Amino acid sequence: DAGVIQSPRHEVTEMGQEVTLRCKPISGHDYLFWYRQTMMRGLELLIYFNNNVPIDDSGMPEDRFSAKMPNASFSTLKIQPSEPRDSAVYFCASSFRGDGYGYTFGSGTRLTVV
Amino acid sequence: KQEVTQIPAALSVPEGENLVLNCSFTDSAIYNLQWFRQDPGKGLTSLLLIQSSQREQTSGRLNASLDKSSGRSTLYIAASQPGDSATYLCAVRDTGGFKTIFGAGTRLFVKA
Repeated sequence: DAGVIQSPRHEVTEMGQEVTLRCKPISGHDYLFWYRQTMMRGLELLIYFNNNVPIDDSGMPEDRFSAKMPNASFSTLKIQPSEPRDSAVYFCASSFRGDGYGYTFGSGTRLTVV
Repeated sequence: KQEVTQIPAALSVPEGENLVLNCSFTDSAIYNLQWFRQDPGKGLTSLLLIQSSQREQTSGRLNASLDKSSGRSTLYIAASQPGDSATYLCAVRDTGGFKTIFGAGTRLFVKA
């Protein structure tokens, strides 16, 4: 398996623009998580899905953030409009019961909003 | 609210030394605990996963222990190598849901 695949690896955008981050979980995994990592706050859970359904989005910082999972093999995290304080590394991870719900992380998307 | 603390924040050791990284958590009602490694500018690589019913897990030179009652886990690295230099993160998943709380990490530097 190719693991959790995220795209793009790097994104530089101007303040006010829309940003879409993409994630393909490991096939067969039924949980998908979006995390954000910054130096100041470490790793923060933004939202997670079970069987494509959002379960807990309490970590989503503002209404500017939205996430979707239209099918078991694809999820997006959208920021609109983007702000400089959104600059961070965004990770996607997936998990399933069969391996004790251990996490497998993608390589992350480094977002810079200027 | 679960809180995860890792001590020390940074550690520098000479090559070949055995070392212990510590992780503590405030709520013992956990589902599992996972140790990760993160290299600079990279994603997280899973090292060891310990279920709540387990006491330890081993992989190569790594051994992780779990003591739920005291809210502690340790990651033991034997015969450290320069290639072990990275940040090591501890993550605790609560039983009440599937939120996993991460510690801030221990930045390890192994000198050749």
